[in-house]
Order: sequence, then structure tokens, then C-alpha cells
Amino acid sequence: GAGVSQSPSNKVTEKGKDVELRCDPISGHTALYWYRQSLGQGLEFLIYFQGNSAPDKSGLPSDRFSAERTGGSVSTLTIQRTQQEDSAVYLCASSASMNTEAFFGQGTRLTVV
Amino acid sequence: GQQVMQIPQYQHVQEGEDFTTYCNSSTTLSNIQWYKQRPGGHPVFLIQLVKSGEVKKQKRLTFQFGEAKKNSSLHITATQTTDVGTYFCAGQRIAGNNRKLIWGLGTSLAVNP
Repeated sequence: GAGVSQSPSNKVTEKGKDVELRCDPISGHTALYWYRQSLGQGLEFLIYFQGNSAPDKSGLPSDRFSAERTGGSVSTLTIQRTQQEDSAVYLCASSASMNTEAFFGQGTRLTVV
Repeated sequence: GQQVMQIPQYQHVQEGEDFTTYCNSSTTLSNIQWYKQRPGGHPVFLIQLVKSGEVKKQKRLTFQFGEAKKNSSLHITATQTTDVGTYFCAGQRIAGNNRKLIWGLGTSLAVNP
């Protein structure tokens, strides 16, 4: 595709349920980021994939959060046993290499009720 | 860990006034990038600065990278209502395999017509 694609765009889930958020980066981009953004706040780093290197998971807030990047392309962010404080917009971004601009998807707005 | 501080957090200006946001890193950066996020949107890349003391201009926007490559600024001359949004800086480490972007918390700009 022409840009970074995220799905779903909106997700409402019940507290305690698991959710999966998907990110399709720009084809050929080796770097992929997941961020979380609450209303009016900055970008909270979650995880960073760079090529075949071990991902930087230092931003994941708890062990309920995990992410995979299969075949160096599509990435899935999984949140288990969702809590109300997980409600936010989850943004994915990709970049062509380590030193180039990041392109963001439109985000997934997650609401935990 | 490495941090990027960004000030001010908020700025209200009258249309036609100038605006500046500043970023300071705790460590020397390889490069710094600037992004703009419109209300309800996702961050969009504006520019990347790489060289010590570099100055770049985009119409009414002037970007500077400090001599020590630890600080940067974005200056908007004669703001317009279309400049409304949050401006983020993001720096990359100078060395190592982990080259993830380190983000400032952003400066939210409001412009009164």
C-alpha cells in the first residue's frame, strides 16, 4: 500500500478481554514502532523493531502487552486482559532505515469499557 | 536513560505573532526530526536535521540544530490558523544498534484569529 495501514480503526472491548491490533508498514521498511497516545498527551513508546535485531521492548507497560513482527513486515500488538487504563490511540509507524523519517498510520482508537 | 525535553508544553498566540519551541537532549544526537500533529490526526514528518549548527527553512518555519547536536528549535514566523497543532521533536542516538527515536512530549500551539 501507499502508506502505513492500521486495523481496526476503532475498537471497543470489555474489560478483561484480549485485543489484537494490526499494523501493515510501508513495503520494504525495516523499522517499525508502536506508540500509545492518550488524549492531549505525547507519544508513549511501546516497542521498536529494526530489521532482524532483537526488538526493543523497553516501553511495554506490563506483561499483558506483547508484539510480534512476522517476516519483517506485518506487526501485531496484543493486549491481554484489557483494563480501562489501556484506553488510548495506538499508533504504528515505519521507516525505511535507522536514520530516516517515520511514517505513521492513522491509529487504532481502543476503548475499554 | 536518554531523554529529550521539549518546551513549552503549550503556547497560545495571536495570529501573526511568532512561535518557537525548543528541544534539549541529555546526550548528543545523530540527528533530530520534527513532526506536526493536527488535532485528531497522526504525526506527520516535517524535517530532519543532521549536521552540527544546521539551519533549514520551510516557508515560515525555521529549524535549527545546535552546535553540540544536543538541542534544536522550531520557529514559526507570523503564525496562521493553519499552524494549529502539536509539534514534536524526535532524536536518534549517535551510536549503537538501537536507533529508536526518542520523542519530546510536544508543544501544543493554539492560534487565535
